[in-house]
Amino acid sequence: GENVEQHPSTLSVQEGDSAVIKCTYSDSASNYFPWYKQELGKRPQLIIDIRSNVGEKKDQRIAVTLNKTAKHFSLHITETQPEDSAVYFCAASNPASGGSYIPTFGRGTSLIVHP
Amino acid sequence: DSGVTQTPKHLITATGQRVTLRCSPRSGDLSVYWYQQSLDQGLQFLIQYYNGEERAKGNILERFSAQQFPDLHSELNLSSLELGDSALYFCASSVGLGGETQYFGPGTRLLVL
Repeated sequence: GENVEQHPSTLSVQEGDSAVIKCTYSDSASNYFPWYKQELGKRPQLIIDIRSNVGEKKDQRIAVTLNKTAKHFSLHITETQPEDSAVYFCAASNPASGGSYIPTFGRGTSLIVHP
Repeated sequence: DSGVTQTPKHLITATGQRVTLRCSPRSGDLSVYWYQQSLDQGLQFLIQYYNGEERAKGNILERFSAQQFPDLHSELNLSSLELGDSALYFCASSVGLGGETQYFGPGTRLLVL
């Protein structure tokens, strides 16, 4: 099955700095890569996603890059703000039997943005 | 608010007991996914239902079962509970079979004593 490794497990930055979270996956059939943000005690929420036919995607201060050959993808957050503090999860999805796409999640990165 | 609802929010029970967690998907979503989130295991996929049928299974224990009803709400049944089953249980919904945004509910926090 799919295996997703996520690094670092904790990331501490100063407000205004950039933050980068990296994930690797093992199954070359994976073709959908969402990123979720989970604030303390709350539900995971999708912040950005990328499909395997795209190398990079941006949404304001957030960007995701994908290297299919190396099987890794990264989340980039620029101009970090204290409200960016949360746990971020990457995931890789591939078609399971029956056509379903089931995500395998990384272990999460706790991002702390210091004012 | 994602539009996905889960009840109850908190559940405290004893080992050996059985509990039922309930999830209502967003209006129009046909898929429901169940996940278990614990500190040491992260977010683990348990099972997916699409339009009433089971479509995919993850590392779901035999003591756990689920179903999706004609009105598309879903229930996750956990039986013969053990201390290690204490976790946050999320359901999520999506329009289709996956490869698209999943909307998570607020979760049910289960504590087995």
